[in-house]
Amino acid sequence: QVKLVQSGDEVKKPGASVKVSCKTSGYTFTRFGISWLRQAPGQGLEWMGWISGDDSYRGVGQRFQGRLSMTADTSTSTAYMELRSLRFDDTGVYFCARGYCSSTSCSGSKFDPWGQGTLVTVSS
Amino acid sequence: SYVLTQPPSVSVAPGQTARITCGGDSIGRKSLHWYQQKPGQAPVLVVYDDKDRPSGIPERFSGSNSGNTATLAISRVEGGDEADYYCQVWDTSSDHPVFGGGTKLTVL
Repeated sequence: QVKLVQSGDEVKKPGASVKVSCKTSGYTFTRFGISWLRQAPGQGLEWMGWISGDDSYRGVGQRFQGRLSMTADTSTSTAYMELRSLRFDDTGVYFCARGYCSSTSCSGSKFDPWGQGTLVTVSS
Repeated sequence: SYVLTQPPSVSVAPGQTARITCGGDSIGRKSLHWYQQKPGQAPVLVVYDDKDRPSGIPERFSGSNSGNTATLAISRVEGGDEADYYCQVWDTSSDHPVFGGGTKLTVL
């Protein structure tokens, strides 16, 4: 059974950074990508970026250029996402999801399954 | 950038068929995926590549995609189908995925 389990909820101050982990199991980690997505309260889904399972390639959404870092630890089959310079409007639930990607592209990819989500609250 | 348009809400009586649309320019040329999200839960893939169902998804869920409109149909709707539904494609021009705004399905 494929599972993605994320780290716990976080509360951060504006300007700080947050790092979320996504531990996977049930499949060969290096054969798939991991995407990070988020959902602001009461809003829809927004894709942030993706990383290949072998940690060799990343794609970052334009809105997150310069603020988003992603890593993939193949020894523990765990992906990490760090978002820097947090703002109030970064508050929301952050998800990881397995993507059906080649080593350099996720074109056409679906996301399945998803992690349970991590609530990040940015508050002063 | 590529835009997907969904109706904000759809209502249907139990036992009837719900149809949720997703519009986009020549969307029929793209692989389209549908997700179901219940309150407080992560999204779940219910249809992929226009019309295929992942294992464990009931046959009541079906998809189609042609021209400028894709449709998710849920037959014999049950109360447990109440959720937000999102469509998604990959925009090759920007090389990132695009989601529709979501449709809230209400079972009357």
